[in-house]
Amino acid sequence: QQPVQSPQAVILREGEDAVINCSSSKALYSVHWYRQKHGEAPVFLMILLKGGEQKGHEKISASFNEKKQQSSLYLTASQLSYSGTYFCGTGSRSGSARQLTFGSGTQLTVLP
Amino acid sequence: NAGVTQTPKFRVLKTGQSMTLLCAQDMNHEYMYWYRQDPGMGLRLIHYSVGEGTTAKGEVPDGYNVSRLKKQNFLLGLESAAPSQTSVYFCATTGSSYNEQFFGPGTRLTVL
Repeated sequence: QQPVQSPQAVILREGEDAVINCSSSKALYSVHWYRQKHGEAPVFLMILLKGGEQKGHEKISASFNEKKQQSSLYLTASQLSYSGTYFCGTGSRSGSARQLTFGSGTQLTVLP
Repeated sequence: NAGVTQTPKFRVLKTGQSMTLLCAQDMNHEYMYWYRQDPGMGLRLIHYSVGEGTTAKGEVPDGYNVSRLKKQNFLLGLESAAPSQTSVYFCATTGSSYNEQFFGPGTRLTVL
């Protein structure tokens, strides 16, 4: 089942902060975050694994609440280059297929 | 290194025609995926492969077939195209224990 992202869209001024949430009805092993600019491919931002392990870019932070099956992506001091659509992808530990189920995205617009 | 490439970039088909999309990677990754992306729907998994000679169905496999005869290539076929298959198709690969996926540039397919 597809994870639910909120908000669907957000508009910021440069320097402002934003939080994007991802919630699943299934038990999760991992949460992935990707950013996609218009007409381009999604680009990896961060992975959060059950147990607290993380891998991602230095300027991006995120949290993963395993019990609540939720993750949040924190964008601080936003820059114009942060504009794009943010997707979370959730993974469960069923089999070894390393499949992800993606949310429908959060459109972030950063204005000067 | 080219990373993940997709051929063709754009294609227009008439209903009932067939075509094959090619995904090629030079990252020596075991796992390869085909997604489709429709407006407001995020990324949906069509088929995937966990290694050379293997394929499996994803979330929306109907109307598509795949083959993975060589480790570096993953083909997506449409035997009889329908207007509902108008979409942007992305190929992705992963091989690391963190499962971050690397996406190709996409193929924009229109079925008239």
